Amino acid sequence: ETAVFQTPNYHVTQVGNEVSFNCKQTLGHDTMYWYKQDSKKLLKIMFSYNNKQLIVNETVPRRFSPQSSDKAHLNLRIKSVEPEDSAVYLCASSSQGTEVFFGKGTRLTVV
Amino acid sequence: GDQVEQSPSALSLHEGTGSALRCNFTTTMRAVQWFRKNSRGSLINLFYLASGTKENGRLKSAFDSKERYSTLHIRDAQLEDSGTYFCAAPPGGNYKPTFGKGTSLVVHP
Repeated sequence: ETAVFQTPNYHVTQVGNEVSFNCKQTLGHDTMYWYKQDSKKLLKIMFSYNNKQLIVNETVPRRFSPQSSDKAHLNLRIKSVEPEDSAVYLCASSSQGTEVFFGKGTRLTVV
Repeated sequence: GDQVEQSPSALSLHEGTGSALRCNFTTTMRAVQWFRKNSRGSLINLFYLASGTKENGRLKSAFDSKERYSTLHIRDAQLEDSGTYFCAAPPGGNYKPTFGKGTSLVVHP
């Protein structure tokens, strides 16, 4: 099966903890993204990687850091979570700037 | 301002009826994508168009790059069509796919 795979599906953690989300795509794409879907359901891009290189780094708190080992993987680490980090985090990929495919998302709840 | 302006923000339809969603772009886009967010929160790819129209079942989409808009028509709406629909401009050289704010569709019996 070729797709974008995210783990975990859900994660509940306490303020100040570190969390890490994994994303893998088997579509052979060269670009991967992390989006945050906030409480208003708006999709906001956080990072874009092209061939393992960081291309886009939107204004996000420094506690967020993407990690890419190869062009098929893009993980997201949050060093010390805050309540406002509660959201759905969506990973996506595309090839040569064309059609974008999304994973099923990771829902983070910070208590 | 927003590059992708989507309307309406909310839509209510009775089963069997139809309507259209629209996205206007403030700049010329190479292509458009349409997604539906299902009840599980997954973004389902509906269409990718660089021009013209595409049809898939009860859904039909059109894209006019020159006039800077795209539409998504839903006919014979069913309960399972309920969800949030997003249009997006695929990433260009800036590697930033840009999304509209979504249309929340509710189909009533």
